[in-house]
Amino acid sequence: DARVTQTPRDKVTEMGQEVTMRCQPILGHNTVFWYRQTMKQGLELLAYFRNRAPLDDSGMPKDRFSAEMPDATLATLKIQPSEPRDSAVYFCASGSGQGDSGELFFGEGSRLTVL
Amino acid sequence: GDSVTQMEGPVTLSEEAFLTINCTYTATGYPSLFWYVQYPGEGLQLLLKATKADDKGSNKGFEATYRKETTSFHLEKGSVQVSDSAVYFCALSKAGNMLTFGGGTRLMVKP
Repeated sequence: DARVTQTPRDKVTEMGQEVTMRCQPILGHNTVFWYRQTMKQGLELLAYFRNRAPLDDSGMPKDRFSAEMPDATLATLKIQPSEPRDSAVYFCASGSGQGDSGELFFGEGSRLTVL
Repeated sequence: GDSVTQMEGPVTLSEEAFLTINCTYTATGYPSLFWYVQYPGEGLQLLLKATKADDKGSNKGFEATYRKETTSFHLEKGSVQVSDSAVYFCALSKAGNMLTFGGGTRLMVKP
């Protein structure tokens, strides 16, 4: 049963520490998205990759966030240094990028708490 | 730019009640429309979709019809169950998988 895998599921860290979240997209999918979910802001798009190339990271705070796809099986989202306002659930999603199907498959999320 | 507006929650219903969650969109061209559902502690998953005007998407007793004249895609279910308690997101897509989401509507169904 193909699914998007995210690690860690939960992370508690102190302000100023580096945080790296990892995502394994579904094999064969060529689009990968990072979303952040908070009660206040809802779902926010942070970054979007197609064929491993970043197409849109306008929603990401550039000074502390970075997103990469070192290879087709791994996407990373890094925060350095982390701040309490970064506390949220971070979701990775992948899709086949075919036509206008629009179906994304989401991971279970990484819950980040920055103290 | 494109946008999706859905009714604010929470929506609280008794079991077996009729459900409607309103969704309207603003977009140029001909987007595809979606409803995603997020159960507690999980990621979003596709509930149903419609790719052109007058199409009806359906799944698990939920339905939504793509109404171009009113730019709407309201979600309905005739008889909700406690297990339907979740957050529901309306979304549109125009190219590939690039989705624009609404703010989400929390549904709580009481026994």
